[in-house]
Amino acid sequence: DQQVKQNSPSLSVQEGRISILNCDYTNSMFDYFLWYKKYPAEGPTFLISISSIKDKNEDGRFTVFLNKSAKHLSLHIVPSQPGDSAVYFCAAREGDAGGTSYGKLTFGQGTILTVHP
Amino acid sequence: NAGVTQTPKFQVLKTGQSMTLQCAQDMNHEYMSWYRQDPGMGLRLIHYSVGAGITDQGEVPNGYNVSRSTTEDFPLRLLSAAPSQTSVYFCASSFGGKKQPLHFGNGTRLTVT
Repeated sequence: DQQVKQNSPSLSVQEGRISILNCDYTNSMFDYFLWYKKYPAEGPTFLISISSIKDKNEDGRFTVFLNKSAKHLSLHIVPSQPGDSAVYFCAAREGDAGGTSYGKLTFGQGTILTVHP
Repeated sequence: NAGVTQTPKFQVLKTGQSMTLQCAQDMNHEYMSWYRQDPGMGLRLIHYSVGAGITDQGEVPNGYNVSRSTTEDFPLRLLSAAPSQTSVYFCASSFGGKKQPLHFGNGTRLTVT
């Protein structure tokens, strides 16, 4: 039972254009969402996050949008650069007043982004 | 500041052998966790710890043991390796707090033959 799904295994875009990576979730208890980027032979690195009380968060070229009613989030990269080529993982965390969930993320399958010069 | 350090980077085991994957962090993070990455599955949580002496199971704990005797170290033990445990293993750590991201090590690629 995949609670976080990234239905596009791969995405190819031209340098300078917009990249849009999508993610859907099913667990209504998720209240914080993160995007990670992963290069080959390295660990995932944190990119950007959003709380469930917001619908948009922006950091430079990266913007994450959250649609709670649709249980959908997306990552926009504008403009895309060849160095953005990597695997992108969407992840989610349950709300937990006791704090035991802080170390626990549920990940999607990942989307391979290729940005062509 | 090394961050999260995992050793070894690569390991080949025969079925039934045991081994320990090491993980150390130097950021004084309370939370540490182990994930495995398999093709088409994303990263799945094996075990996690909210502080020294406290551990709990994640989504796929069978076949793995952990302990957390210090804040810095969180080793993952495979008691009797099986081919199904062939995977890439990532250790992660973070401060407490909902908005704190996990910081990952560079992984251990394990093959069980």
